[in-house]
Amino acid sequence: DQQVKQNSPSLSVQEGRISILNCDYTNSMFDYFLWYKKYPAEGPTFLISISSIKDKNEDGRFTVFLNKSAKHLSLHIVPSQPGDSAVYFCAASGGQGGKLIFGQGTELSVKP
Amino acid sequence: GAGVSQSPSNKVTEKGKDVELRCDPISGHTALYWYRQSLGQGLEFLIYFQGNSAPDKSGLPSDRFSAERTGGSVSTLTIQRTQQEDSAVYLCASSLSGFDWETQYFGPGTRLLVL
Repeated sequence: DQQVKQNSPSLSVQEGRISILNCDYTNSMFDYFLWYKKYPAEGPTFLISISSIKDKNEDGRFTVFLNKSAKHLSLHIVPSQPGDSAVYFCAASGGQGGKLIFGQGTELSVKP
Repeated sequence: GAGVSQSPSNKVTEKGKDVELRCDPISGHTALYWYRQSLGQGLEFLIYFQGNSAPDKSGLPSDRFSAERTGGSVSTLTIQRTQQEDSAVYLCASSLSGFDWETQYFGPGTRLLVL
């Protein structure tokens, strides 16, 4: 039972363009959502988060949008840079202590 | 400052042997989590320690898996009688207090290969 789903295993974007990574969830108890970025042979690093009381959170080139009615969130990266190439995981938590439920990840490739 | 550290970074073992994986959380962090990432999969929650409370073991896949946290700091994940399907990257994370809105900081992981 996959509670958090990232249906696109990979995404390729040209440098300077927008990258949009999507994530869907099924558990309505989730109230906090996060995006992590992972480079090969390293642990995931926190990127940006959003509480369920908001529908948008912005940090520099990164914006996360939350649509609670659709149980969908997305991460926008504008403009995309080659250094953004990594695997991006969305994660959710809520009502279960601090443990995170992760999606399968989307590998982003930003081409120069 | 020092981040989350894990050891060993790589471990190759034979099927049926026991392994111990170690995690040193960030100093002062009271919450500690273990996850694993199998090949081609997302991160899967295993176990969560919060202060002196009983750990949340709901993610442990079988009774061959156990973990302890001594003195509220270092944690050891033990896998007994390893199987080939245990091969994965085992990741440890810590956060300040364990609230779900807190950032979890991950270590680099231990890559376990069971032959």
